[in-house]
Formats: sequence, C-alpha cells, structure tokens
Amino acid sequence: EPEVTQTPSHQVTQMGQEVILRCVPISNHLYFYWYRQILGQKVEFLVSFYNNEISEKSEIFDDQFSVERPDGSNFTLKIRSTKLEDSAMYFCARGGQGAYGYTFGSGTRLTVV
Amino acid sequence: QKEVEQNSGPLSVPEGAIASLNCTYSDRGSQSFFWYRQYSGKSPELIMFIYSNGDKEDGRFTAQLNKASQYVSLLIRDSQPSDSATYLCAVTRGSNYKLTFGKGTLLTVNP
Repeated sequence: EPEVTQTPSHQVTQMGQEVILRCVPISNHLYFYWYRQILGQKVEFLVSFYNNEISEKSEIFDDQFSVERPDGSNFTLKIRSTKLEDSAMYFCARGGQGAYGYTFGSGTRLTVV
Repeated sequence: QKEVEQNSGPLSVPEGAIASLNCTYSDRGSQSFFWYRQYSGKSPELIMFIYSNGDKEDGRFTAQLNKASQYVSLLIRDSQPSDSATYLCAVTRGSNYKLTFGKGTLLTVNP
C-alpha cells in the first residue's frame, strides 16, 4: 500500500460544483505535489508545494485550482467550479529527496457529470 | 515543450524472457530519470532511478542511461506475469523535482 493516502478514492460531482481532494496523513516532508492523469493519457504535473507555498504550477493549474495545507498535515487540492474535462485520476505525492524519486498517493478518481 | 517519448506498445513477452522498454527525452538539461510501474487504476510505483550514464541494476531490473543520445531504457529479466503493467518513464530537471512523464508502455507477460 502507498505510504500516502488520499480521500476520497472516488468522487462523482456535478459540473460547476466545488470539490476538495485530500491527501492524508502526511509525514514531515517539505515537498508535495499534485498530478493528474486523464484516462488513457500521461501523468501530468499540476503544482508543487514547498515549505507551505506554491513553488511551481503548470498551465493546467489555473484560477479554478488551489492547494492548501490547512492543519499542517493534510494537503488539499480544491477545484472551485468543476468542468467535464476535469474528470481524471488525481495523485498527490510527497518528496524530500526528489532526485531519488518520490511516492505517489493512492489516487482519487474524479468524475464530473 | 519538453517531451518524453515511449512506445505505447503493447509489448508482449513470454514468461522468463527479457523485456526491454525504451524512452527518449528532448530536454538535454534533464538530470534524473525514473521508471515507474502502474497497474490499471492504481498509482505509479517507483521501480528505479538513474542519473549517471551507464547501467544500474536492482534485482531483475536494469536501467540504462545514455545522455548523449537522450535515451533511457529498462530491462526486466526473468519476466513474470505479475510484471504485466504500464511502465512510465519520467525525468526531472532542477531543484523542484517536477516529473515529466511519458505516456507509458504497456507490458504483457504471457504465462
């Protein structure tokens, strides 16, 4: 089992609704990441979070997306107004020694209808 | 656009054979190279990383890197049916360690 757990494992939401994806529990790492994978497509970088701040974000990560570490352990990705094309698997990842690779969470399958 | 290219497959090998998976990348500044395994509907699982030219062996897996040719490969010896999965090649550049993935190669090991 992955060391990083994500909740929920599957979420179905209506277009235009807000969703919050959670990454729990988080050990004491500095780097956190969110990636997504649309069905049949490659894994795509969304955002990296270092020392409680966004360090880099992709073109995908527009104003509809936000990340937080609300209580020092959980790490969340919020999509404010979901679109059909947001349907994908969303993975969080933790790193500390990124040059040696990092561990992905179990994933959340988001389905927007 | 920094690209990582893989043959999507499927690559089919018999049990016990050597599976050879290949990957090319376009960014000459790429520093570290990774192979992840992904079972259907699951998250990527790190198999190996390599950052120096040459070979790196770990059990049945050998990663090979040729920076001049911008080429990285993964060999799986004594392939098992449980190795059947999609193998993702990924590269990083810079201190942020953002991964750029290829689309993956589907490997099927036939009993």
